[in-house]
Amino acid sequence: GESVGLHLPTLSVQEGDNSIINCAYSNSASDYFIWYKQESGKGPQFIIDIRSNMDKRQGQRVTVLLNKTVKHLSLQIAATQPGDSAVYFCAENPTSGTYKYIFGTGTRLKVLA
Amino acid sequence: DAMVIQNPRYQVTQFGKPVTLSCSQTLNHNVMYWYQQKSSQAPKLLFHYYDKDFNNEADTPDNFQSRRPNTSFCFLDIRSPGLGDAAMYLCATSRQGNYGYTFGSGTRLTVV
Repeated sequence: GESVGLHLPTLSVQEGDNSIINCAYSNSASDYFIWYKQESGKGPQFIIDIRSNMDKRQGQRVTVLLNKTVKHLSLQIAATQPGDSAVYFCAENPTSGTYKYIFGTGTRLKVLA
Repeated sequence: DAMVIQNPRYQVTQFGKPVTLSCSQTLNHNVMYWYQQKSSQAPKLLFHYYDKDFNNEADTPDNFQSRRPNTSFCFLDIRSPGLGDAAMYLCATSRQGNYGYTFGSGTRLTVV
């Protein structure tokens, strides 16, 4: 179902450390997942995606891990930088072909200098 | 650059006064979406167009309407804005819906 969280969980990370942001998705039939980054006052920006036939996908400084057994998705950011400070949302496509994505609650990442 | 453009970035409207938000895209994507995002919450889908086919979410209030006169433009009409409609409104597009969204920068709506 839709996320209705009123208070975003916050992850504080020291600059240069690795960040891990977690997401639990709702529908075991979801076959496609996306991580979005949303900076203050802006629209969400695509970071990385993964299909359900994979369990890991790497991009530049980012890695997404998918555990279908427990319906869990994670985003790993290597060598976190101040520019990574934002809210991160995972999104799932619960039914293939419906063209709709359901967003998770979101996590606020704060990078400490 | 191909992109999704939302106008205006900030909109102030009076309680009960109809307001229209606009979205245009140069990506030639056939699916366009409107999301409502309240502070510290995830975006919530209001409706989407697959080509000319309109798809309303079951819990979208009747107060919200949409028009898509052509591939490039999509409008969100709020017929009688209430204080609870103050939010960021995000337009997104997708090619066939299979590859995620491209979002616009959003329109922040204030109702006074």
